[in-house]
Amino acid sequence: DAGVIQSPRHEVTEMGQEVTLRCKPISGHDYLFWYRQTMMRGLELLIYFNNNVPIDDSGMPEDRFSAKMPNASFSTLKIQPSEPRDSAVYFCASNLEGLVRDTQYFGPGTRLTVL
Amino acid sequence: GENVEQHPSTLSVQEGDSAVIKCTYSDSASNYFPWYKQELGKGPQLIIDIRSNVGEKKDQRIAVTLNKTAKHFSLHITETQPEDSAVYFCAASKPAGRRALTFGSGTRLQVQP
Repeated sequence: DAGVIQSPRHEVTEMGQEVTLRCKPISGHDYLFWYRQTMMRGLELLIYFNNNVPIDDSGMPEDRFSAKMPNASFSTLKIQPSEPRDSAVYFCASNLEGLVRDTQYFGPGTRLTVL
Repeated sequence: GENVEQHPSTLSVQEGDSAVIKCTYSDSASNYFPWYKQELGKGPQLIIDIRSNVGEKKDQRIAVTLNKTAKHFSLHITETQPEDSAVYFCAASKPAGRRALTFGSGTRLQVQP
């Protein structure tokens, strides 16, 4: 299996622009998570889905952030408009309920820089 | 919500020595405690985990202990090697259906050859 796939790996944009991050979870997994990592705040959960349905979006910082999961193999995280404080590494992770280990498998991340 | 505190933030050891990283959690309902290793430029990777019905678990040079009463858990790495150098995160989550992981702030481990 290719693991969790994220694109792009790096994104540099200017303040005010729309940014879309993409994630393909491991095939067959029914949970998908979006995390953000910064030096100041560490790894924090933004939102997670179960069977394509958003379960908890309490970590989404504000209305500029939105996430969708139109099908079991694809999710997007959109920031509009972007701001410099959104600069971070964004990770997508997936897992399968019922797995003994409950392991969340992380993608390689998207490093976002907002100028 | 859950709060996970992790110490120390940095740890430097000589190759062959042991390393210990400690975490505490706040929510007594948490029952799953994984440890992740993150190398530069990569996503976190699970290295070991423990559930609340187990007090200790070992996998080769890595072990994790859990004290439910005190709400703390620890990662022990023995016979450290330079390739163990990375950032380590502890995390906690509640039972199935509420699967979000709350992470500690991370420990940067440096193993000096």
